Amino acid sequence: GESVGLHLPTLSVQEGDNSIINCAYSNSASDYFIWYKQESGKGPQFIIDIRSNMDKRQGQRVTVLLNKTVKHLSLQIAATQPGDSAVYFCAERWDYGQNFVFGPGTRLSVLP
Amino acid sequence: SQTIHQWPATLVQPVGSPLSLECTVEGTSNPNLYWYRQAAGRGLQLLFYSVGIGQISSEVPQNLSASRPQDRQFILSSKKLLLSDSGFYLCAWSVQGGSYNEQFFGPGTRLTVL
Repeated sequence: GESVGLHLPTLSVQEGDNSIINCAYSNSASDYFIWYKQESGKGPQFIIDIRSNMDKRQGQRVTVLLNKTVKHLSLQIAATQPGDSAVYFCAERWDYGQNFVFGPGTRLSVLP
Repeated sequence: SQTIHQWPATLVQPVGSPLSLECTVEGTSNPNLYWYRQAAGRGLQLLFYSVGIGQISSEVPQNLSASRPQDRQFILSSKKLLLSDSGFYLCAWSVQGGSYNEQFFGPGTRLTVL
């Protein structure tokens, strides 16, 4: 369950454009997924979650898509704003357990 | 409403010195508690979790230990710090029981071991 120690991938988008952040999860038995946003020097903040019996869930300006066939999760941010600049993590809950496994994260950089 | 506190916010310690990081949660009872470590530019590594007072599960063998002396208090300790212990330490809590419970994170402690 250890996160892979890789240099963070970066996604740069123009302000006002839509952003898509992708995540490949590892356990086909994972039943619950969460996207977190982490600003520099702060703890991660909950953005949106999705259960394994769903394919899509929408929040305010954010949409999460779940493709269980290929074990893929994505976070779509509409009309990206400078305040969206942060590192985004996906987390999967392994088989109804207490613990989550976090992905390595993606740094989103919003260009003016 | 629930809040989670961590202190200190920043800590610089020499190699071989002891460590004690504290986390407390307010506004909830009997939470699950977690300690994570985040190396610079990397993801979160789960170190310990606890489902109750005195109940600690370790995920990664290392020179760190955790204790839960009270329901809403979680402490991360070390007797002798290593250089590799440097990182950003995050405490988190979640509601115990229920089916779909997110984890809520504290503000973190940045530890530098010199």
